[in-house]
Amino acid sequence: ETGVTQSPTHLIKTRGQQVTLRCSSQSGHNTVSWYQQALGQGPQFIFQYYREEENGRGNFPPRFSGLQFPNYSSELNVNALELDDSALYLCASSYDSAAGNTIYFGEGSWLTVV
Amino acid sequence: ILNVEQSPQSLHVQEGDSTNFTCSFPSSNFYALHWYRWETAKSPEALFVMTLNGDEKKKGRISATLNTKEGYSYLYIKGSQPEDSATYLCAPTGGSQGNLIFGKGTKLSVKP
Repeated sequence: ETGVTQSPTHLIKTRGQQVTLRCSSQSGHNTVSWYQQALGQGPQFIFQYYREEENGRGNFPPRFSGLQFPNYSSELNVNALELDDSALYLCASSYDSAAGNTIYFGEGSWLTVV
Repeated sequence: ILNVEQSPQSLHVQEGDSTNFTCSFPSSNFYALHWYRWETAKSPEALFVMTLNGDEKKKGRISATLNTKEGYSYLYIKGSQPEDSATYLCAPTGGSQGNLIFGKGTKLSVKP
């Protein structure tokens, strides 16, 4: 039990639509990151939020955006969905953003774009 | 961009066998290395966070070593059990801010 919960677990969207994925972190975890795992790959870093501000971004276009809220919840928003956005999206949280801290993951949200 | 390699890609062993996997990463600008165990339909489980060259960590039958100068880490499982079947992922951090750069993982199957 990591204390990180994500919703929804599965969803199907149509190309061009927008999607919001949600994450609830452990209480006290001020850092949240989102990762995308495509088939056959390891998870890829999308971005990180620290105390409600974006604190680093991977190689993803601006149509991937996020929000972090004071109640330890966060969102990943993806606009103008493309077929290649079909993947497992993982939320991860930690206390502070330092490299040596344990990072806890949720079970992920499976997104299928048709 | 960090390039993280894990080998082997998959491994099939018998119950009771001991096994080990390798994680290779660039040795420059090292901050930390994370190991995860990921069973299907569950969340990745944090096994170890390693920061110092020569670090050796142990959790039950699983242990890991770290060589930051040559850029590799080994994960060992002693006396594998069917419940050890999972994908094992390593991830150095991309910088001091803790974002993880994952390898593709090693998929372990342990037959009873």
